[in-house]
Amino acid sequence: SQKIEQNSEALNIQEGKTATLTCNYTNYSPAYLQWYRQDPGRGPVFLLLIRENEKEKRKERLKVTFDTTLKQSLFHITASQPADSATYLCALASGSSNTGKLIFGQGTTLQVKP
Amino acid sequence: DTGVSQNPRHKITKRGQNVTFRCDPISEHNRLYWYRQTLGQGPEFLTYFQNEAQLEKSRLLSDRFSAERPKGSFSTLEIQRTEQGDSAMYLCASSLVGSGRAGAEQYFGPGTRLTVT
Repeated sequence: SQKIEQNSEALNIQEGKTATLTCNYTNYSPAYLQWYRQDPGRGPVFLLLIRENEKEKRKERLKVTFDTTLKQSLFHITASQPADSATYLCALASGSSNTGKLIFGQGTTLQVKP
Repeated sequence: DTGVSQNPRHKITKRGQNVTFRCDPISEHNRLYWYRQTLGQGPEFLTYFQNEAQLEKSRLLSDRFSAERPKGSFSTLEIQRTEQGDSAMYLCASSLVGSGRAGAEQYFGPGTRLTVT
């Protein structure tokens, strides 16, 4: 069956360091992958989308890689700040890419300490 | 504020009662999605609409659940005969998808937290 895995353990890092979050998937060939940020009690907020033919995408301090051979995406936050503390969700397109239907991982909680 | 809005934000109900949630998407968005999220998990897809047409429903959506988007604008999600297992955050999201623009980002509302006692 299709499965998406993110580190269930919280990631604790020091301010200024680079945070790296992992998303692995099996039995999938997604046309694209998205990353969202979610703060407690709020809905997810879109951060980045990367397509299957793209290896890397950047936006300000964020970088996403997509390796369709390894079936893995890495999400990096450089020069991390306490305000980056949140849960980060990986989401894959399910079925035809035209549906926009997303399947989410369980999320990884990032804690950036000052 | 022109984002996605959901009402109510919180709902406490007794088992067996019916509840209805409302979602107002971003006005120009043609796609509307409903998800359910429990503590420590990512959102789970329930159903989605393209304009007023409901195009897909998850197997998670039992016959006690029904969703509508009558004029292709706002949407409602009704749960009949609620059970304690229905307790969760119900999230609505919208997106704008057009020809050649697959994979659009989704904009989420703040969610409705349902507690069934």
